[in-house]
Amino acid sequence: KQEVTQIPAALSVPEGENLVLNCSFTDSAIYNLQWFRQDPGKGLTSLLLIQSSQREQTSGRLNASLDKSSGRSTLYIAASQPGDSATYLCAAETYNNNDMRFGAGTRLTVKP
Amino acid sequence: DGGITQSPKYLFRKEGQNVTLSCEQNLNHDAMYWYRQDPGQGLRLIYYSQIVNDFQKGDIAEGYSVSREKKESFPLTVTSAQKNPTAFYLCASSTQGGDEKLFFGSGTQLSVL
Repeated sequence: KQEVTQIPAALSVPEGENLVLNCSFTDSAIYNLQWFRQDPGKGLTSLLLIQSSQREQTSGRLNASLDKSSGRSTLYIAASQPGDSATYLCAAETYNNNDMRFGAGTRLTVKP
Repeated sequence: DGGITQSPKYLFRKEGQNVTLSCEQNLNHDAMYWYRQDPGQGLRLIYYSQIVNDFQKGDIAEGYSVSREKKESFPLTVTSAQKNPTAFYLCASSTQGGDEKLFFGSGTQLSVL
């Protein structure tokens, strides 16, 4: 059974700093890995999706990488802004299941 | 605008009562999902449906039921058998094939009176 872990659970950084969020998964046989953003009391918004054949995806100041062999993905946020404050969740979809397995998320606070 | 609509935003359940959470999508997606989110935990899958009139249990289906009579709609009923129903419930949808992004509704917070 796929297990997804995100460390740290919470992170606080000053505005302008570049930062990396980590995601690890136990089963390397994945279809894809997605990164989501969740604001308090809201649903999830998909940020980036990396297919199993890809190594990274970029959108604006966000870059997500995937290393299946080590069971790791990272989300890099450049020049962080207070508006980036939210919880970031990763989720892995495996070949053996039709559902996505979510990590518990990293709660990011960017201080002005 | 295309999207997923969940209602109500807040719901209160009395002891022994069944309650139904609504989820409607106009994205023409075949697959729909219900997740439960508890504080400090990842989302856990309750039920999913890949096609009309068919659905499958997820990891925590006990105490819940669903129906998929229309492509656009996937309501979730929280029955009295669910002894710890207080949580944030999220509905999602995606195209078939498993390689597409998951789109989420804005969620329903269910609490017990």
